[in-house]
Amino acid sequence: RKEVEQDPGPFNVPEGATVAFNCTYSNSASQSFFWYRQDCRKEPKLLMSVYSSGNEDGRFTAQLNRASQYISLLIRDSKLSDSATYLCVVNGGGFKTIFGAGTRLFVKA
Amino acid sequence: GAVVSQHPSWVICKSGTSVKIECRSLDFQATTMFWYRQFPKQSLMLMATSNEGSKATYEQGVEKDKFLINHASLTLSTLTVTSAHPEDSSFYICSARGDPTDTQYFGPGTRLTVL
Repeated sequence: RKEVEQDPGPFNVPEGATVAFNCTYSNSASQSFFWYRQDCRKEPKLLMSVYSSGNEDGRFTAQLNRASQYISLLIRDSKLSDSATYLCVVNGGGFKTIFGAGTRLFVKA
Repeated sequence: GAVVSQHPSWVICKSGTSVKIECRSLDFQATTMFWYRQFPKQSLMLMATSNEGSKATYEQGVEKDKFLINHASLTLSTLTVTSAHPEDSSFYICSARGDPTDTQYFGPGTRLTVL
């Protein structure tokens, strides 16, 4: 089992749709969690951190479920510019950072 | 967010030459820097982790004598690909993290093509 698993997609959705991604992690001692966005041929950019209480930033909502060991990202009112690969990142403590393989999203007009 | 720069952004070299890539944290002190490699349509793969002033920790399967990492200061880490071969052609990305945060900020990447 991979340490961090994501559905690779691709998710093809129309503009305005709501889309959700899940990510599961295997290390129950993991301490911090993030979602990054990576555009084609570009570096990953931090989208948001994920807190136990859940957090929201505009159209994006991230949640953490420690009991089930998964994190989620919800995108509301999808825009064309949301098309990218979304990377789930888990910190196991110390220097151990694990990236998921990413979920590809295509938003179409 | 914090800014990390990488230089050069792209490089083309002949097989057998060495290539040095610089990674700088511009507005914070990076106690830890990471080097990743990404092949087309594949996920990021961590190559090594370096802490300022100490030797880098390499991931399994990454040759430390081929990929030389130096993290001489809190704002600069370098990756040298020695005796590069066509199979080393890839997108190399660094990231930096400063205490106390555990957020990684990525450089824009270096696209290496070895002919």
